[in-house]
Amino acid sequence: AQKITQTQPGMFVQEKEAVTLDCTYDTSDPSYGLFWYKQPSSGEMIFLIYQGSYDQQNATEGRYSLNFQKARKSANLVISASQLGDSAMYFCAIHGGYQKVTFGTGTKLQVIP
Amino acid sequence: DVKVTQSSRYLVKRTGEKVFLECVQDMDHENMFWYRQDPGLGLRLIYFSYDVKMKEKGDIPEGYSVSREKKERFSLILESASTNQTSMYLCASSLAGLEQFFGPGTRLTVL
Repeated sequence: AQKITQTQPGMFVQEKEAVTLDCTYDTSDPSYGLFWYKQPSSGEMIFLIYQGSYDQQNATEGRYSLNFQKARKSANLVISASQLGDSAMYFCAIHGGYQKVTFGTGTKLQVIP
Repeated sequence: DVKVTQSSRYLVKRTGEKVFLECVQDMDHENMFWYRQDPGLGLRLIYFSYDVKMKEKGDIPEGYSVSREKKERFSLILESASTNQTSMYLCASSLAGLEQFFGPGTRLTVL
């Protein structure tokens, strides 16, 4: 079984500041992938960033970085220089063995001008 | 660009009706997924398929079935719709182990 926990239902951040969205996971698979998706109010799901369980370095994609701490089973998303357009729901997900994917309950981020 | 389409954006059905939700992807992905999304619960996996005619139960398969007769098409079936199946349904596809591409979603209301 695999599980994703996102403990922050909602967060506020000032425009241009950095923000960290928490994600912890649990899995018995030795090989897995961790993903973050963004869902704006329009409803579409947008892939942001991926981290493989064997990747030595933390993933980065533009203003997004993934703080991967394998021993702690955490995969926090860091957004630098927040913009108003970053206001959205953010979901962490794990893709484990047998192609199964599990999502967390999400964090609603609101960027304040 | 990967495109995932779903047959309807909004659907209203009555209790007991058989409901078909269709999903089509155009990028030859082997994996396809059906989720339902409810406030506070995130996305919950109903079924997924990693090949034609193959299906696997997700976390909440009860009351649903699926069909994958062709690689590009993955159908979700509600044999006898109930009010607690009112939800947003999201379809996704991916290559093995890689990011998922999502359709626009179908908001189903069961009266």
